[in-house]
Amino acid sequence: QVQLVESGGGVVQPGRSLRLSCAASGFTLSTSGMHWARQAPGKGLEWVAVIWYDESRKNYADSVKGRFTISRDSSKNTLYLQMNSLRAEDTAVYYCAKSPGGGSGWDFQHWGQGTLVTVSS
Amino acid sequence: QTVVTQEPSLTVSPGGTVTLTCASSTGAVTSDYYPNWFQQKPGQAPRALIYSTSNKHSWTPARFSASLLGGKAALTLSGVQPEDEAEYYCLLYYGGAVVFGGGTKLTVL
Repeated sequence: QVQLVESGGGVVQPGRSLRLSCAASGFTLSTSGMHWARQAPGKGLEWVAVIWYDESRKNYADSVKGRFTISRDSSKNTLYLQMNSLRAEDTAVYYCAKSPGGGSGWDFQHWGQGTLVTVSS
Repeated sequence: QTVVTQEPSLTVSPGGTVTLTCASSTGAVTSDYYPNWFQQKPGQAPRALIYSTSNKHSWTPARFSASLLGGKAALTLSGVQPEDEAEYYCLLYYGGAVVFGGGTKLTVL
């Protein structure tokens, strides 16, 4: 069955970088669009980025554009989120999520359990 | 800035029916907005319920249904169960990005 496991979270100082990973199993990344979303402590969900199944599109929320980069390694079946110039307001649980096959790449289906990123000096 | 608005909170009795809505600051919600609905319980990751307006995932209980209603996306729970108490989020597509609503806290009482 589909499983998504995020890793790479932790405590990082403002201005520094961090790379999150999302290991996928039960399907191949090249067949599905993939998203990153986040949730600040006690707050609602915020969409972060999407990568199309064929990598033809990568889109970002305005709040992270120019600082975050979504990518994937098909050989490892792993999705990444490179986060640079981190700010306190980036503190959140980060989730990766899969789009349903055959549907719009903007739809969501399976979610991982999330990894916590804390930006603090 | 695009805003997606949901009812902050709703209360429903067990066995009852409740409709949650999702409105866009840009105007009427249509199927072109690919409305999605999610359920989140405390301490858990979100769980997808509905995609592309009204399509259910294989795990979505039959008591959940979704539609477009009065210019909004709507999620209806019929025959509400105690385990349906949760936060519910909608999501809408805006030409190259998606935006989550602020969430509706559903209390079953």
